[in-house]
Amino acid sequence: EAGVVQSPRYKIIEKKQPVAFWCNPISGHNTLYWYLQNLGQGPELLIRYENEEAVDDSQLPKDRFSAERLKGVDSTLKIQPAELGDSAVYLCASSLDAGVREQFFGPGTRLTVL
Amino acid sequence: AQSVTQLGSHVSVSEGALVLLRCNYSSSVPPYLFWYVQYPNQGLQLLLKYTSAATLVKGINGFEAEFKKSETSFHLTKPSAHMSDAAEYFCAVRSNAGNMLTFGGGTRLMVKP
Repeated sequence: EAGVVQSPRYKIIEKKQPVAFWCNPISGHNTLYWYLQNLGQGPELLIRYENEEAVDDSQLPKDRFSAERLKGVDSTLKIQPAELGDSAVYLCASSLDAGVREQFFGPGTRLTVL
Repeated sequence: AQSVTQLGSHVSVSEGALVLLRCNYSSSVPPYLFWYVQYPNQGLQLLLKYTSAATLVKGINGFEAEFKKSETSFHLTKPSAHMSDAAEYFCAVRSNAGNMLTFGGGTRLMVKP
């Protein structure tokens, strides 16, 4: 069974440029999560989807970050414009549903903003 | 609100020695607790989880953790460290709603030959 797929794995951009990250969850997983992991820290939830609905985006900086999950499968996280402080690893995870289920994590996208 | 504290951002042990990684949590309700491992340039992998059944939980790769309500702790142990155990370990607590996890800051385990 394929795991959570993320692309790109690495991205280097200059500040003020836009960037997008893509996530393909495990087949059949209804719940999808985007996490931000700063260097040397634990992941922090940005947004959670139940199917195509964003049910918790309270930690998403909405002035520059946006996300979508069309058709309740793949998801895209966008930053526009990127700032130096956005340099981090962006992790995507999925679970079967929102019960006490294991979250399966992708390898992440490491973003460097110059 | 839930929170997790991992004491010791770096732990170094010799190969074959006991591994002890500490995790204390704060939760207003009976918690669900998790330990994840992260190898370099990889995502997080679940080691084990506590979901209010047995207080001693066994996980993969020989790891186990004991839930102690009186101490609000969920420390991770392994009797004998292996070189392949070198990684970052994260303790997490699940919120009541929506399977959201709050992670600790992580502990980097180094294993010396």
